Amino acid sequence: GENVEQHPSTLSVQEGDSAVIKCTYSDSASNYFPWYKQELGKRPQLIIDIRSNVGEKKDQRIAVTLNKTAKHFSLHITETQPEDSAVYFCAATRGNNRLAFGKGNQVVVIP
Amino acid sequence: NAGVTQTPKFQVLKTGQSMTLQCAQDMNHEYMSWYRQDPGMGLRLIHYSVGAGITDQGEVPNGYNVSRSTTEDFPLRLLSAAPSQTSVYFCASSRRERDTIYFGEGSWLTVV
Repeated sequence: GENVEQHPSTLSVQEGDSAVIKCTYSDSASNYFPWYKQELGKRPQLIIDIRSNVGEKKDQRIAVTLNKTAKHFSLHITETQPEDSAVYFCAATRGNNRLAFGKGNQVVVIP
Repeated sequence: NAGVTQTPKFQVLKTGQSMTLQCAQDMNHEYMSWYRQDPGMGLRLIHYSVGAGITDQGEVPNGYNVSRSTTEDFPLRLLSAAPSQTSVYFCASSRRERDTIYFGEGSWLTVV
């Protein structure tokens, strides 16, 4: 099945700087790649997603890029704010919305 | 529009007991699924359904059963609870393929 890996496991950034989280996936048939933000004790919340026919997508301070050849996709957060502190999960699916998740990245924004 | 509703939110079970985690959505979504989340493991797919009457296994199905008799409901049954099933369980739903997947608030289960 699909295997998704995330790096780094923990990321500390100064407020206002950018944060980048990279994920790799193993199944070349995967065609949908969502990113979730999860705060402690809460449900995962979708922050952005990208489909395999698109290379990049942006929504205000958040962007995602997809490289199908290398089988990796990355989350970019610009102008980080303290409320961006959370665990971020990447995921991938090849069909039926069966998500394979990475293990998560703890992002800490230092004021 | 309540979204994805899970009950109960917290539950303590004794080893060997059975129980059902309830999941309901009011968005007329075809796709529903159950995940478990353990510390440091991310979320792992237990079972999923692509429509009423259709279910299939995910990555970690052992010890769990599901059914999908209606579009709205997708209950998860623990047959004989084991301490290894202590986890947070999330139900999720989406309208169609590659569409936004919405998660319920989670059910915290402890098996002693």
